[in-house]
Amino acid sequence: NAGVTQTPKFRVLKTGQSMTLLCAQDMNHEYMYWYRQDPGMGLRLIHYSVGEGTTAKGEVPDGYNVSRLKKQNFLLGLESAAPSQTSVYFCASSGRQGMLRGYTFGSGTRLTVV
Amino acid sequence: GQQLNQSPQSMFIQEGEDVSMNCTSSSIFNTWLWYKQDPGEGPVLLIALYKAGELTSNGRLTAQFGITRKDSFLNISASIPSDVGIYFCAGLNYGGSQGNLIFGKGTKLSVKP
Repeated sequence: NAGVTQTPKFRVLKTGQSMTLLCAQDMNHEYMYWYRQDPGMGLRLIHYSVGEGTTAKGEVPDGYNVSRLKKQNFLLGLESAAPSQTSVYFCASSGRQGMLRGYTFGSGTRLTVV
Repeated sequence: GQQLNQSPQSMFIQEGEDVSMNCTSSSIFNTWLWYKQDPGEGPVLLIALYKAGELTSNGRLTAQFGITRKDSFLNISASIPSDVGIYFCAGLNYGGSQGNLIFGKGTKLSVKP
């Protein structure tokens, strides 16, 4: 089972460039999430989705946009990258029942903005 | 918003020693979860706790859901080198459509071989 797959695994951007991070899950989960992880800050929720075609803001949404056009995919976009967005990004998913058992995480995307 | 205070932030231990870490909150949670993150990987669920007072084990790991529902503890017995990583607690309040996990900032565990 692939679980949650994130692409790319690494990326270096110049300030002002844009990019899209892709998250794909093969578990038929309803809920999907994007987190960023910074040293000493733990995991902070950027945006999340409770179903196809729906998205909502999390704790730190500024500078990011998301889309959930298909149930299995959740895209995270940076329209104009800034050095403050240098971080490790994790996607996660859960089902309605599985939500009680926590989330399944991808292996992360390490993004550096120079 | 809800916050979790996880301690200690980091610890070095001798192989074979027992380890304890905890998480506290000013808010009540319905579920407590403990995750481990290996270097370069995403967090992986270790233990889930659903009832106040619940004590659950997973091999050498034991976790407890505090009676007040505002805290949780994780113990690792007889630590080994592969226990190295970052351990996160997470609290969950379900109900409504969101069910967001609130994460602690992590405890970084390093083992001296």
